[in-house]
Amino acid sequence: QVVLTQSPSASASLGASVKLTCTLSSRHNNYAIAWHQQQPEKGPRYLMKVNSGGDHIKGDGIPDRFSGSSSGAERYLTISSLQSEDEADYYCQTWGTGIQVFGGGTKLTVL
Amino acid sequence: EVQLLESGGGLVQPGGSLRLSCAASGFSFSNYAMSWVRQAPGKGLEWVSVISDSGSSTYNADSVKGRFTISRDNSENMLYLQMSSLRAEDTAIYYCAKDGSGSYSHLDYWGQGTLLTVSS
Repeated sequence: QVVLTQSPSASASLGASVKLTCTLSSRHNNYAIAWHQQQPEKGPRYLMKVNSGGDHIKGDGIPDRFSGSSSGAERYLTISSLQSEDEADYYCQTWGTGIQVFGGGTKLTVL
Repeated sequence: EVQLLESGGGLVQPGGSLRLSCAASGFSFSNYAMSWVRQAPGKGLEWVSVISDSGSSTYNADSVKGRFTISRDNSENMLYLQMSSLRAEDTAIYYCAKDGSGSYSHLDYWGQGTLLTVSS
């Protein structure tokens, strides 16, 4: 079964950029993933879908500061011009017939 | 505007049953698979169940197999999760989520969640 691995935490300064990583299990390195943001005390929000070629399709209203990319088994979420409201948990997700899989999430702290 | 509104959460004793509901609007409900995802206090997201657009196929996580049943009413734009033999470890916020396509894909809209607490 596919496994998604994320670092538990990351931090970056206000106005800077940060790149979060989601790593697919090696046998599944061609899978697309989705990124979701969960701000404190809120439900998750879909950010974008990223395929193995690095193409990404954003959700409604997602700012241009958010972008996605890929390299091998790694899928990235880059957030530029960090704002205080970007402090949140970020989850990657992939899927198959009749199954959804989530990574453990990365808690992003904006300094 | 896509909206997903969960309801039905509450306090239930271990071994009890409960049904969660999710009212969907703003999209052609019958054209999309739907999922339930839960989040235990202080933990990450855990997928629970998925149902196909027609309702003919359902799948459950191993942790709830045999205890939870997902269903839908496409005439009413409603998604349900019938839960039985509830355990303390089922305590979580339960979210319904819309699939991004007609077949199984990424989740592109989420509800605000409903809290289930299993405790005596």
